[in-house]
Formats: sequence, C-alpha cells, structure tokens
Amino acid sequence: DAGVTQSPTHLIKTRGQHVTLRCSPISGHKSVSWYQQVLGQGPQFIFQYYEKEERGRGNFPDRFSARQFPNYSSELNVNALLLGDSALYLCASSLDRVSYNEQFFGPGTRLTVL
Amino acid sequence: AQSVTQLDSQVPVFEEAPVELRCNYSSSVSVYLFWYVQYPNQGLQLLLKYLSGSTLVKGINGFEAEFNKSQTSFHLRKPSVHISDTAEYFCAVSRNQAGTALIFGKGTTLSVSS
Repeated sequence: DAGVTQSPTHLIKTRGQHVTLRCSPISGHKSVSWYQQVLGQGPQFIFQYYEKEERGRGNFPDRFSARQFPNYSSELNVNALLLGDSALYLCASSLDRVSYNEQFFGPGTRLTVL
Repeated sequence: AQSVTQLDSQVPVFEEAPVELRCNYSSSVSVYLFWYVQYPNQGLQLLLKYLSGSTLVKGINGFEAEFNKSQTSFHLRKPSVHISDTAEYFCAVSRNQAGTALIFGKGTTLSVSS
C-alpha cells in the first residue's frame, strides 16, 4: 500500500505570495493533520481534519488555512508568505481522530520563502 | 498545556555501544507518549508508543523506552547501536482525548560512528 504522499516535494516562493500544499492520506484513513517543522526544531501542529471538518488548530495565524476533500485528501494554504514560513511541512494521516492511533507521516514539502 | 523537553540536542556514540536519549514531559492530565525517528530528507516514523499498562515499551529496530510517571520521563534506549541508527529522534506527547495533536520536543541528533 502507498504511504502518505505530499506534493510538491520542494517549493520556492517570494514574500507576499501564497502557496498550496497537497496531501493524500493512506487509503482508509479519514484524518489528516498538518505540521510545520522549522530547521532544527520539532514539528509544530497546525491543523487536524477529520471527515472534512476542522477538529483542531494550533497556534498559527489566519494566513494559514486548510481543507479536506471527500476523498480525504487535504490542502494546506498559506497566504502573504513571510520569510519565517520557510520550513518543512509535514502531513500525517491516521484512521480516525483518536489520539492513540498512530499518525503516519509523509516525506514533507520543503518550502523556501525568499 | 503539555510540553516536552529533550535533554540532549546531540548524542555521539560508537557503533555497538548502548545509548539513552532522554525525554521529560509536563502535563496536568493523562497523556500518551511517543518516540519518532526522522532520517535525512524523510518524514517521521513511529518507533514506539506508551498508552497504558506496562511501563517498559518495546519498539522497532531494537529500541525500548520506559515510562516513569513520578519523574515524568520517557527515556529511549538501545543496548547496541548501528551506523544505520544515525538520525533525528523526537519525543512527543498527546492528551488521551479525541482529536488531540502531537506535541513534539526539539529533537535529539544521534550520531553513530565506527
């Protein structure tokens, strides 16, 4: 079975632009979470979606938004990019929203903001 | 709120030596505890998790961890490391509620040399 897939793998943007990152969960998984990993730090939680509804949000500004589609894939959108948004963005999928279920991580999208 | 402190940012060891990566957490409620590994340019992979029951948890690749509630610790150990264990290791915690995000530590870089 395919694991969690993310696209694109790398992305370079300039300040003020917007970006859309995509994630496809493992087949049968209904929950998708997004994390931001700045170089040298651990991942930080951005959003969790389950059954197409937002079920959790981390401490990120409103420039960050996401959605989940009927096929459970997800998009993360970031508007008005700042230099500090440069990071590895990780998507994780799990069977449901129960916190003890394993979250399977994708390889990430490396975003560089110039 | 929960927090995770990984006490060592870098741990250099020789091949076949034992290793311990230290993790302390802070929480006023019951939590689940996890250790993830991240190889270069890859996403995170679950090594092991503590949900309840036996405080000694065995994971993949010969790793184990011990939950100590009184010391709020969840240290990761391996009796004999290999070159291939070189990676970044993250300790994480989540509340035992639906929809709760993972809170990660800053990570420990394990470098195994011959």
